[in-house]
Amino acid sequence: DIQMTQSPSSLSASVGDRVTITCRASQSISNFLHWYQQKLGEAPKLLIYSASSLQSGVPSRFRGSGSGTDFTLTISNLQPEDFAIYYCQQSFSPPLAFGGGTKVEVK
Amino acid sequence: EVQLVQSGAEVKKPGESLTISCKGSGYSFTSYWITWVRQMPGKGLEWMGRIDPTDSYTKYGPSFQGHVTISADKSNSTAYLQWSSLKASDSAIYYCARHEGSSSYYEYFHHWGQGTLITVSS
Repeated sequence: DIQMTQSPSSLSASVGDRVTITCRASQSISNFLHWYQQKLGEAPKLLIYSASSLQSGVPSRFRGSGSGTDFTLTISNLQPEDFAIYYCQQSFSPPLAFGGGTKVEVK
Repeated sequence: EVQLVQSGAEVKKPGESLTISCKGSGYSFTSYWITWVRQMPGKGLEWMGRIDPTDSYTKYGPSFQGHVTISADKSNSTAYLQWSSLKASDSAIYYCARHEGSSSYYEYFHHWGQGTLITVSS
């Protein structure tokens, strides 16, 4: 089974900062990698699919990159509504798997 | 508008059975797979399994195979998640989510249910 490892598990940032979250797969998953944002008490929200495609309606300050085993979610000009937990998810082969999550907190 | 509406919160005792539901609307129910995701208190997302509502073909995550049953009733546009004997460790929020298509190429999730909180306690 493919394991997904996110780093860091948490980070502190300020409004206006640029934030980078990394997701690593235990084997190559091509571009079958997706990113979600989850706020407390809410269902996850799809941000990026297929590694770098921005979901409709998601602000352009969110950018995904990478292929193979190493992927990055970058949030530019962090906004107050961006403080949340972010998860990556692989869909290269079942069982599908999520990373452990990265909590973006207020510095 | 695509919607997934899940059944309400449940409080159950260990050993009891339970079925929760996820009703899809605003789209062709048989054209998209449905996935179930578990989120234990304060923890991350875990993929439980998925179902193709067309033929009810299911695939389970290894941690959930044999512990839950995923089913669907296409006549009612509803997917189900069932336990025959609950444990305290089944206490969690359970989300259903719609795949973006009906093939393995589309196994990511834009549309989610609101979540169902299950509490198992004696």
